[in-house]
Amino acid sequence: DADVTQTPRNRITKTGKRIMLECSQTKGHDRMYWYRQDPGLGLRLIYYSFDVKDINKGEISDGYSVSRQAQAKFSLSLESAIPNQTALYFCATSGQGNTGELFFGEGSRLTVL
Amino acid sequence: DAKTTQPNSMESNEEEPVHLPCNHSTISGTDYIHWYRQLPSQGPEYVIHGLTSNVNNRMASLAIAEDRKSSTLILHRATLRDAAVYYCMSGSSNTGKLIFGQGTTLQVKP
Repeated sequence: DADVTQTPRNRITKTGKRIMLECSQTKGHDRMYWYRQDPGLGLRLIYYSFDVKDINKGEISDGYSVSRQAQAKFSLSLESAIPNQTALYFCATSGQGNTGELFFGEGSRLTVL
Repeated sequence: DAKTTQPNSMESNEEEPVHLPCNHSTISGTDYIHWYRQLPSQGPEYVIHGLTSNVNNRMASLAIAEDRKSSTLILHRATLRDAAVYYCMSGSSNTGKLIFGQGTTLQVKP
């Protein structure tokens, strides 16, 4: 089983719908991240969390919210999806320390019509 | 915040060395430089990281400029399996601000 699991892997929805992408990890890491990937733009940080009570905005947090339900779970929500939120979303985790290697999930592809 | 830039694409011939450049001109003194690669339909995976000194591991080498404003990922002998998107990333895990470049798509020709 993967250490970082994302659900759903693929989702098609309509403008205005609420969407939740879920991430769970078995690595025991405190730090979790949500990134968005768009062609030509690379990976952009949406939100990150150092523990259940510590959640921070990244580069592009507008239109997104997150919930850290437990150490192992970090969810990304789009309250009212819009077409320019169509992208590939990645969850990642890292351990303690300044050199923490990121471990990524396999991605959730979201299409907003 | 750190800004990281990379060329969009590069080509290499199989079994030749590949040098993938990255500029991180606004890097701060405590920011590490990381490289990741992404194979088709997979999430990015760690390749190598460093702070000031050059680094080697089984996958690649990392050469860091003396002023740390740029770095180069070196694949010593490219194989077809090295064809991927390579991401440079700078930042500090302790601040959570881990900023990726836009990625370089490496094509390896047989």
